[in-house]
Amino acid sequence: QQPVQSPQAVILREGEDAVINCSSSKALYSVHWYRQKHGEAPVFLMILLKGGEQKGHDKISASFNEKKQQSSLYLTASQLSYSGTYFCGTEGGGSEKLVFGKGTKLTVNP
Amino acid sequence: DTGVSQDPRHKITKRGQNVTFRCDPISEHNRLYWYRQTLGQGPEFLTYFQNEAQLEKSRLLSDRFSAERPKGSFSTLEIQRTEQGDSAMYLCASSLIYNSPLHFGNGTRLTVT
Repeated sequence: QQPVQSPQAVILREGEDAVINCSSSKALYSVHWYRQKHGEAPVFLMILLKGGEQKGHDKISASFNEKKQQSSLYLTASQLSYSGTYFCGTEGGGSEKLVFGKGTKLTVNP
Repeated sequence: DTGVSQDPRHKITKRGQNVTFRCDPISEHNRLYWYRQTLGQGPEFLTYFQNEAQLEKSRLLSDRFSAERPKGSFSTLEIQRTEQGDSAMYLCASSLIYNSPLHFGNGTRLTVT
């Protein structure tokens, strides 16, 4: 039931783009995205509800394809502050609990 | 909005001892979640509450774990007869309603020696 994230790690230079994927084997109702910096708590980025919507947050946006049970997080023109571990959390399969993936570690270098 | 607070920040205990953690959610939030996180892993769901009702508990959780949320305000998580495998960061999060953002506390780091 745990969503699968890919890639596990990404290293970028400042200004480059990245895509992080999240997929589930179960029908999804919603997908959450969070970022966690080392030694800190996860911080909410955005929620996507079923309906194939796309959301944006500054230069970070995401899409949700409920038919494919997949979501993707897009980071454009990355900044040093984007470094951290990104987690997707999914709700579905008849449960309202939020289940997180193992995370994607993003490192942005100058 | 003072955020989600957890107490204590760190707890070191000997194997076999009982420990209790406290979480104070954001005051108007109805939902409260407990997660456990180990190094390099995502938060692992433990349980969640809607007001004072515990709606779901992870099947992975042994009977040594129990959580309460009396009066739908703060919550406590108790671990009885701790084992070394219980060493982890225990995170509490709250949300206003279903499908709204989770706000995490800074966690309680448990070390079982």
